[in-house]
Amino acid sequence: LAKTTQPISMDSYEGQEVNITCSHNNIATNDYITWYQQFPSQGPRFIIQGYKTKVTNEVASLFIPADRKSSTLSLPRVSLSDTAVYYCLVGDTRAAGNKLTFGGGTRVLVKP
Amino acid sequence: NAGVTQTPKFQVLKTGQSMTLQCAQDMNHEYMSWYRQDPGMGLRLIHYSVGAGITDQGEVPNGYNVSRSTTEDFPLRLLSAAPSQTSVYFCASRRTGSAPYGYTFGSGTRLTVV
Repeated sequence: LAKTTQPISMDSYEGQEVNITCSHNNIATNDYITWYQQFPSQGPRFIIQGYKTKVTNEVASLFIPADRKSSTLSLPRVSLSDTAVYYCLVGDTRAAGNKLTFGGGTRVLVKP
Repeated sequence: NAGVTQTPKFQVLKTGQSMTLQCAQDMNHEYMSWYRQDPGMGLRLIHYSVGAGITDQGEVPNGYNVSRSTTEDFPLRLLSAAPSQTSVYFCASRRTGSAPYGYTFGSGTRLTVV
């Protein structure tokens, strides 16, 4: 299983862009990179998933360099409600037999 | 479409008691899993299932049993509760197939063992 490393915490201010980088040096060919958001007392929520280059949806962008050994989640113009823990997950989310594990996540605090 | 439903939301057990945490999904997802999350920590995989009748162990399976008799339900049984099992338990499910799919999580069961 590919191990991931993320910063433990990050602070930001409302309206700023937040970029969280995840390192995954031993990512496998079939692995995808997925990010989840978790608010206190709630289950994680899927944000975005990608394999290579750039993926964008209404919530975030995911940048993946050519070597795929890292990825960056970008949250544009954050608000107070974006304060949460963000998890980077690496694995083959197509396969039925996959057991994906979560790392410690990055605690993002958005200040007024 | 309710997604993933977990019951109960809160539970207090005495050491040595047994109980079953319920998890049900209505999305016809093949894959289901149980995680525990201790205060300030990430999620750790307990058990998972890739379909009805098939289960396997995750990182921290000791003290827990699972079964999957239907696609919809994946109950987690605590055999003899211990204080170390005080945690928040999350059930998750996802589709499997030729495309990558994300997990859908339940809202969790907060368990305290005294």
